[in-house]
Amino acid sequence: DADVTQTPRNRITKTGKRIMLECSQTKGHDRMYWYRQDPGLGLRLIYYSFDVKDINKGEISDGYSVSRQAQAKFSLSLESAIPNQTALYFCATSWGGLNTGELFFGEGSRLTVL
Amino acid sequence: LAKTTQPISMDSYEGQEVNITCSHNNIATNDYITWYQQFPSQGPRFIIQGYKTKVTNEVASLFIPADRKSSTLSLPRVSLSDTAVYYCLVGDFSNAGNMLTFGGGTRLMVKP
Repeated sequence: DADVTQTPRNRITKTGKRIMLECSQTKGHDRMYWYRQDPGLGLRLIYYSFDVKDINKGEISDGYSVSRQAQAKFSLSLESAIPNQTALYFCATSWGGLNTGELFFGEGSRLTVL
Repeated sequence: LAKTTQPISMDSYEGQEVNITCSHNNIATNDYITWYQQFPSQGPRFIIQGYKTKVTNEVASLFIPADRKSSTLSLPRVSLSDTAVYYCLVGDFSNAGNMLTFGGGTRLMVKP
């Protein structure tokens, strides 16, 4: 089983619908992240969380919200999906600590908004 | 987060050594240099991280000159399966806010 699991892996929805992408991890890491990747481009950080009570906006948080339900669970919500939110979404985790640059990524959730 | 510049793409052949250079002229004292590999439709995978001089693991080597304004990822004897996008990130990763973007990366194509 994957250490970082994302559900759903693929989702097609319509404009205006509420969508939740879920991420769970078995690595015991404190830090969790949500990234977005558009075709042919790099990843951009949406939100990140250092622990259960910590939520921080990333570079492109508008139109998204998150919930850190437990150390192992971090969900990303699109309250009212729009077509330009069509993208591949990745959840990642990492240890806390000094200069730990190693992120562990999930397999991705491909979202299509029609 | 230090701005990084890497080639958009590179071609190589199986069995060759590949060197991908990343420029980061405004690297800060506490910044580390980290490289990731990404295959299509998969999340990036950590390859190597370093601060100065040379770091080597079972996958790659990372060369960092004394001024730390650039770094070179070296992949020995590449195979077709090394075809991927390689990202260079520079920052103080104790602050996750510095992981703002992976940039465009370098698309490596390994040919038979």
